[in-house]
Amino acid sequence: DTEVTQTPKHLVMGMTNKKSLKCEQHMGHRAMYWYKQKAKKPPELMFVYSYEKLSINESVPSRFSPECPNSSLLNLHLHALQPEDSALYLCASSQDPGGEYGYTFGSGTRLTVV
Amino acid sequence: GENVEQHPSTLSVQEGDSAVIKCTYSDSASNYFPWYKQELGKGPQLIIDIRSNVGEKKDQRIAVTLNKTAKHFSLHITETQPEDSAVYFCAASINAGGTSYGKLTFGQGTILTVHP
Repeated sequence: DTEVTQTPKHLVMGMTNKKSLKCEQHMGHRAMYWYKQKAKKPPELMFVYSYEKLSINESVPSRFSPECPNSSLLNLHLHALQPEDSALYLCASSQDPGGEYGYTFGSGTRLTVV
Repeated sequence: GENVEQHPSTLSVQEGDSAVIKCTYSDSASNYFPWYKQELGKGPQLIIDIRSNVGEKKDQRIAVTLNKTAKHFSLHITETQPEDSAVYFCAASINAGGTSYGKLTFGQGTILTVHP
């Protein structure tokens, strides 16, 4: 298995809702990442998990809460989002946190906040 | 921090022509340079990468060149096909290996359109 799987593919949520995005990989990668991508822009790093511990938080608002239950799973919990948070949320993984062997991206979750 | 500039922002070619996309980076410590292809509604897909100890790398119709002195690298696609149409992103990273953290910095992207 050489894929990063993200669910759901699409999500519409109200500003008072709580929802979660899920990411899964079975490549034995020890680093996992959340990126946010707005239309016609490059991905922007949000969080880095290394060996299941949060290593980097790129000053992301607290309404985004990451969680890494085990080495294969990464969640992003969403609460009280704003319409401007609508974007494609990408999960990625790498064999080691240094990214020496490259990064594998999932297909993303298209989030719309109404 | 690292800054990556990518040109052109849009590129239109006829099927069978070659396409070249260029990127420059600012941090001389960067040592890993991947290129990603992103189709509509999908995540970025790695198409080729190069490390700083190599000047050129080829994979069938795709090649990447790196000039460390000038701090620029380029993607070359030959014999383009309509299915090559997508957004292409270059990126740069400092990969120290082990537990050191690498961080991908992306260019702004190039929309490539290949006309039949």
